[in-house]
Amino acid sequence: EIVLTQSPATLSLSPGERATLSCGASQSVSSSYLAWYQQKPGLAPRLLIYDASSRATGIPDRFSGSGSGTDFTLTISRLEPEDFAVYYCQQYGSSPPPTFGQGTKVEIK
Amino acid sequence: QVQLVESGGGVVQPGRSLRLSCAASGFTFSSYGMHWVRQAPGKGLEWVAVIWYDGSNKYYADSVKGRFTISRDNSKNTLYLQMNSLRAEDTAVYYCARDPSIAAHPAEYFQHWGQGTLVTVSS
Repeated sequence: EIVLTQSPATLSLSPGERATLSCGASQSVSSSYLAWYQQKPGLAPRLLIYDASSRATGIPDRFSGSGSGTDFTLTISRLEPEDFAVYYCQQYGSSPPPTFGQGTKVEIK
Repeated sequence: QVQLVESGGGVVQPGRSLRLSCAASGFTFSSYGMHWVRQAPGKGLEWVAVIWYDGSNKYYADSVKGRFTISRDNSKNTLYLQMNSLRAEDTAVYYCARDPSIAAHPAEYFQHWGQGTLVTVSS
């Protein structure tokens, strides 16, 4: 089972700033089968990125994903007020089981 | 649009059973693999189980294997999770989620999510 480690645990930033979230895998994620989700309090997660760098339908282009192998990054180019949330990475290159990282909380500074 | 509505959650004693349902609409249910994903209070996400679009294959997380059963009724556009021998550590919000792959091996990421149903295992 691939273990995903996200860093930092919490990111304190101001609206308009750039956010860089990291996701490290315990072994290589085949075919860059990595997704990112956003979750706001009391709501279900929402798919942002799949296949490491493809944006899901309706996701603004300020969200971008990159990486391969064991190191992946989610970048939010300019934080909007609605972007403050928890973000999870998830691998599906070696599944079942698909596995999630523990999450990064992006909070308002 | 895609809609997934879970039901069946509640408070149950340890060792008892519960069945969750997920009613799907807005897409051809019989063409998509479906998953259950759970989230313990204040914790992260944990995949629970997947069932192929035609019900031919099912896979489970080790934490629920032998206790939980995923199934589907394509004539009713409904996904189920039968949970037996429940434990305190099964307390979580349970989400059903749709896979993106059509009539094929599931891709095993989660394109659409329901709103979740809370299961609390407590005496």
